[in-house]
Amino acid sequence: EAGVVQSPRYKIIEKKQPVAFWCNPISGHNTLYWYRQNLGQGPELLIRYENEEAVDDSQLPKDRFSAERLKGVDSTLKIQPAELGDSAVYLCASSLEQQYEKLFFGSGTQLSVL
Amino acid sequence: GENVEQHPSTLSVQEGDSAVIKCTYSDSASNYFPWYKQELGKRPQLIIDIRSNVGEKKDQRIAVTLNKTAKHFSLHITETQPEDSAVYFCAASNEGQNFVFGPGTRLSVLP
Repeated sequence: EAGVVQSPRYKIIEKKQPVAFWCNPISGHNTLYWYRQNLGQGPELLIRYENEEAVDDSQLPKDRFSAERLKGVDSTLKIQPAELGDSAVYLCASSLEQQYEKLFFGSGTQLSVL
Repeated sequence: GENVEQHPSTLSVQEGDSAVIKCTYSDSASNYFPWYKQELGKRPQLIIDIRSNVGEKKDQRIAVTLNKTAKHFSLHITETQPEDSAVYFCAASNEGQNFVFGPGTRLSVLP
């Protein structure tokens, strides 16, 4: 079974530029999460989807961050414009609705904003 | 909201010794506590978990204990091996609604 797939693996941009991350969850997983992991810290939730509905986006900085999960499968996370402090690893995770405890993470996108 | 603290932030042990990492949580409604292992540059992977109706769970060299009254849970690794070297994260969740992670513990197993 394929795991959670994320792309790109690395991204280097200049500040004020836009950037987008893509995530393909494990087939059949209804719940999808985007986390941000700063260096030396634990993952912090940005947004959680149940199918195509964003059920928890309270931690998402909505002035510059946006996300979508069209058709309840793939998801994209966008930052526009990026700031220096956005440098981090952006992790996507998914889980089955009936086994929602078990999170499966993707390899993440490491973003560097110069 | 939930707050998870984790100690120590770094831990070095000799190969073959035991390692213990402790976490505390603040929300008494949390009822699921997973532990993730993250090797350098790789994704976090679930290694063991425990639910609030269980006090202890063991899987080979890894065990987790939970004290609901004190709101703390611990990861125990026995007979440590070099491949156990990684960053370990604890987390607390209420019915999977939201996972709050601790800041992590960097474990180094010295040969």
